[in-house]
Amino acid sequence: AQSVTQLDSQVPVFEEAPVELRCNYSSSVSVYLFWYVQYPNQGLQLLLKYLSGSTLVKGINGFEAEFNKSQTSFHLRKPSVHISDTAEYFCAVSDPRINQAGTALIFGKGTTLSVSS
Amino acid sequence: NAGVTQTPKFRVLKTGQSMTLLCAQDMNHEYMYWYRQDPGMGLRLIHYSVGEGTTAKGEVPDGYNVSRLKKQNFLLGLESAAPSQTSVYFCASTRDFQETQYFGPGTRLLVL
Repeated sequence: AQSVTQLDSQVPVFEEAPVELRCNYSSSVSVYLFWYVQYPNQGLQLLLKYLSGSTLVKGINGFEAEFNKSQTSFHLRKPSVHISDTAEYFCAVSDPRINQAGTALIFGKGTTLSVSS
Repeated sequence: NAGVTQTPKFRVLKTGQSMTLLCAQDMNHEYMYWYRQDPGMGLRLIHYSVGEGTTAKGEVPDGYNVSRLKKQNFLLGLESAAPSQTSVYFCASTRDFQETQYFGPGTRLLVL
């Protein structure tokens, strides 16, 4: 079965510093990959996704992620963070081979990004 | 376009009481999901639906029931609430179950 590991549960950074949130998944086949963001007291919204093609994916709010098949990773990066980026970030993986809607999309446990001035 | 909406936003129940959470989407999506979110545990799938009139169990279905009588609505019921069901509940929908899920704002439930 697929699994997703977000390697850091909490990442504190200062404003304008770069940040990387790490995500690894367990699969040797092609998968779809997603990053979602959850601002305080809100639902999750899609930040970016990788389905195929270029391994560098750009998302909203200046975030980008790089798909690395050999390392089975999909790390999220931003060169300069703002206070408003403080949120919880979830990595998710979907296995196209699975035709069961209940198990197709697997979420990691989340990384809390805290940006301070 | 309201997207995915959830009712109520917040509720306090006593142990043993029942309630129904309503999820509505206006995107004509076939697939709908109910998750619960607990600190340190991420999102866990409770039940899901692949279309009107169909429902299926997810990872943590015990103590919950669901119904999908209309395509746009997905109801989550707690027949006899327990303190262990204190959580934040999220509904989501998608056109393709391998693709982007769209989430509601959540319902905070406290069971005393």
